[in-house]
Amino acid sequence: EDQVTQSPEALRLQEGESSSLNCSYTVSGLRGLFWYRQDPGKGPEFLFTLYSAGEEKEKERLKATLTKKESFLHITAPKPEDSATYLCAVQDNSNSGYALNFGKGTSLLVTP
Amino acid sequence: SQTIHQWPATLVQPVGSPLSLECTVEGTSNPNLYWYRQAAGRGLQLLFYSVGIGQISSEVPQNLSASRPQDRQFILSSKKLLLSDSGFYLCAWSVGTGFTDTQYFGPGTRLTVL
Repeated sequence: EDQVTQSPEALRLQEGESSSLNCSYTVSGLRGLFWYRQDPGKGPEFLFTLYSAGEEKEKERLKATLTKKESFLHITAPKPEDSATYLCAVQDNSNSGYALNFGKGTSLLVTP
Repeated sequence: SQTIHQWPATLVQPVGSPLSLECTVEGTSNPNLYWYRQAAGRGLQLLFYSVGIGQISSEVPQNLSASRPQDRQFILSSKKLLLSDSGFYLCAWSVGTGFTDTQYFGPGTRLTVL
């Protein structure tokens, strides 16, 4: 059973068209939820860490929020350079504490 | 600032051949080090992690092994590669106790086993 489910799998937006990516998770005890951006052929780039429900973090056009069951990555007025795969990962109490359990990602394409 | 290096960037190997991938971190001491694999259509999967020299923990049974001969060096190896070992291998580092520490990833190695 997947611990982390991301939706949609792929998203195409026009430049300036705001939207949200979803990350649903099922864990016994959440230690942290992480968002990364991954460009093709590159390693994931860290964006945010969220620790508790109600927490929000922002960086430029991106805003991450967290509830007890899911996290959203809101993209406001996206630009073509925001095109990438966005990965969500959780760290929970059920494993060694070091592993990040990743979703399969949302592939975002922003067209001019 | 911290920097993480991986090499080679790409590798094509025949089935049954050995493997050695290297990862080094600069600008930090006593990092936790990780090896992940990203296979097509699947999320990143943690293979090994290390909290210190000579200390290796394996998360999944497999055809691979890892070693940490120096504080900031992490090596992924295999004696005989399988087709299923193909994928994108990522090294990552963090500092701290491991719990809720942010992990930072390297540029990755694309391995194709033919």
